[in-house]
Amino acid sequence: NAGVMQNPRHLVRRRGQEARLRCSPMKGHSHVYWYRQLPEEGLKFMVYLQKENIIDESGMPKERFSAEFPKEGPSILRIQQVVRGDSAAYFCASSLGTSWDEQYFGPGTRLTVT
Amino acid sequence: LAKTTQPISMDSYEGQEVNITCSHNNIATNDYITWYQQFPSQGPRFIIQGYKTKVTNEVASLFIPADRKSSTLSLPRVSLSDTAVYYCLVGDSGGLAGFQKLVFGTGTRLLVSP
Repeated sequence: NAGVMQNPRHLVRRRGQEARLRCSPMKGHSHVYWYRQLPEEGLKFMVYLQKENIIDESGMPKERFSAEFPKEGPSILRIQQVVRGDSAAYFCASSLGTSWDEQYFGPGTRLTVT
Repeated sequence: LAKTTQPISMDSYEGQEVNITCSHNNIATNDYITWYQQFPSQGPRFIIQGYKTKVTNEVASLFIPADRKSSTLSLPRVSLSDTAVYYCLVGDSGGLAGFQKLVFGTGTRLLVSP
């Protein structure tokens, strides 16, 4: 059973470009979470999605950020018009249920904005 | 905001037992205590979870005193590969309240030397 897959692992974007981060949850998991980690800091929750629904996006910046988890295909975290402050590691986790001990994390996507 | 306080860093040697204590003075009745481990350039990984007294699994033990205002993660006979950041989290774990987002602090950076 493959774990949570994220791609790309590394992404470089110039200021003003768009970044698209993909997350394929573990097989059978219908809950997906996105977190952001700045250097030397802990992870910060961004958004929680179930298939075709955003359940909690309280950690998402109001502008430029969006997320989706379509019926088919991976979850996408989209950042429009990136700025240098968006440079971070973005982690996706998936779970079968909603308990903490069931969240499995992917390897992350490291976004660098130049 | 994270509801826990941990030492920023700890040093140890191979073969020693390591105890990392976490303070959570405002823990609520329904809150569980959960520990995650994060290696460099990887997503966090669930280690152990407990509510009271002692919990043990194949990786670690978790000691929780009666007042539950602190907890101690115990790693027996650490090896070099245990060098990582360890996060202590408290919360409802998604049980009674449904989804609960993971709130990470800065964690404890453990360095194991030969």
